[in-house]
Amino acid sequence: QQPVQSPQAVILREGEDAVINCSSSKALYSVHWYRQKHGEAPVFLMILLKGGEQKGHEKISASFNEKKQQSSLYLTASQLSYSGTYFCGTRVHTGTASKLTFGTGTRLQVTL
Amino acid sequence: DTGVSQDPRHKITKRGQNVTFRCDPISEHNRLYWYRQTLGQGPEFLTYFQNEAQLEKSRLLSDRFSAERPKGSFSTLEIQRTEQGDSAMYLCASSLKTSEADTQYFGPGTRLTVL
Repeated sequence: QQPVQSPQAVILREGEDAVINCSSSKALYSVHWYRQKHGEAPVFLMILLKGGEQKGHEKISASFNEKKQQSSLYLTASQLSYSGTYFCGTRVHTGTASKLTFGTGTRLQVTL
Repeated sequence: DTGVSQDPRHKITKRGQNVTFRCDPISEHNRLYWYRQTLGQGPEFLTYFQNEAQLEKSRLLSDRFSAERPKGSFSTLEIQRTEQGDSAMYLCASSLKTSEADTQYFGPGTRLTVL
């Protein structure tokens, strides 16, 4: 079953913060975050493994709440380059069952 | 360090024709995935290889679709008797299974238009 992302779309001014949420009805092993610009391939941002860790680099970070099967992506002091569609991909097993199930995406637009 | 490459980038075909796409993964990546993406949606899993073995295939995938990875390097995805509903972006991704992380890196995709 497809994870649910919220919000569906958000418009920010440069420098503002945003939070994108990803929620699954299944027990998750890992959550993978990607950003995709129009007409381009999804670009990997970060992976969060079962264990409830929080990761981040530069001004983008993410958390994984294993009990709630939810992950959140935090964008701080947004830049124009952050514009795009953000997808969470969820994995429910390790080992051979390695596919990702993606949410419907969150469209982020950063304006001046 | 070259990324995942796909060929062709765009394909326009008439309904009923067969098409074949190629994916070259990142060198030494042992896992290769095919996804399909339609406008406004996230990528949808089609099939996945570990080395040359096809380990999983989506139940949504009709028997008109077939994929191969004969030598565990590049892969091909063939669609027979194309239908208008096959129009989509076909994405390939590769990964190297190490420890618990299995990060998938995507190629630029092949955009298929079926007329």
